[in-house]
Amino acid sequence: GQQVMQIPQYQHVQEGEDFTTYCNSSTTLSNIQWYKQRPGGHPVFLIQLVKSGEVKKQKRLTFQFGEAKKNSSLHITATQTTDVGTYFCAGLVGPGNTGKLIFGQGTTLQVKP
Amino acid sequence: DGGITQSPKYLFRKEGQNVTLSCEQNLNHDAMYWYRQDPGQGLRLIYYSQIVNDFQKGDIAEGYSVSREKKESFPLTVTSAQKNPTAFYLCASSIWNTEAFFGQGTRLTVV
Repeated sequence: GQQVMQIPQYQHVQEGEDFTTYCNSSTTLSNIQWYKQRPGGHPVFLIQLVKSGEVKKQKRLTFQFGEAKKNSSLHITATQTTDVGTYFCAGLVGPGNTGKLIFGQGTTLQVKP
Repeated sequence: DGGITQSPKYLFRKEGQNVTLSCEQNLNHDAMYWYRQDPGQGLRLIYYSQIVNDFQKGDIAEGYSVSREKKESFPLTVTSAQKNPTAFYLCASSIWNTEAFFGQGTRLTVV
């Protein structure tokens, strides 16, 4: 079936290093959303990308949506301990207004101080 | 305060029992979703609903049932047919094709 795949599953970095997680869909997505889940918490929306090739920045976070609208990435520059958590991408798959919101498996980021 | 509320936060179920998890939202969202999260895993879609009185199966619907009689409410029943129900259950709502808002989750344990 339609899938949203995310890599890597885990990433351990030293504070100050950069971090990137990648998201790939087997089908074209109308948009891609990114969420962050802190340990013990629930996912919280970060951003939505809609246009082919779109790039958006939020402070140290840079989000990209691929030209074919099948892949996306989240890059964090100079990680901090507050960046710890699991980052999920999500896409709406399915026709018209009956689509379902499918999440990738997530990338869990650990940051060593 | 507007938001999405799940209850209870922790739930214990004996084997063979059905249990119902509550999800209520006052955000006036049409779409509502139920996800299951296992330790170290992503979110897997159980059921979703785009409109009142209509819902669709997600990727892991077996052993679960839902209803959507009111826009604000989307309860999930974990039936005895679900062989491995211990998990963290998350409910979400959204205006279609925009950001999803999640509840705090219900942690279900079979004892």
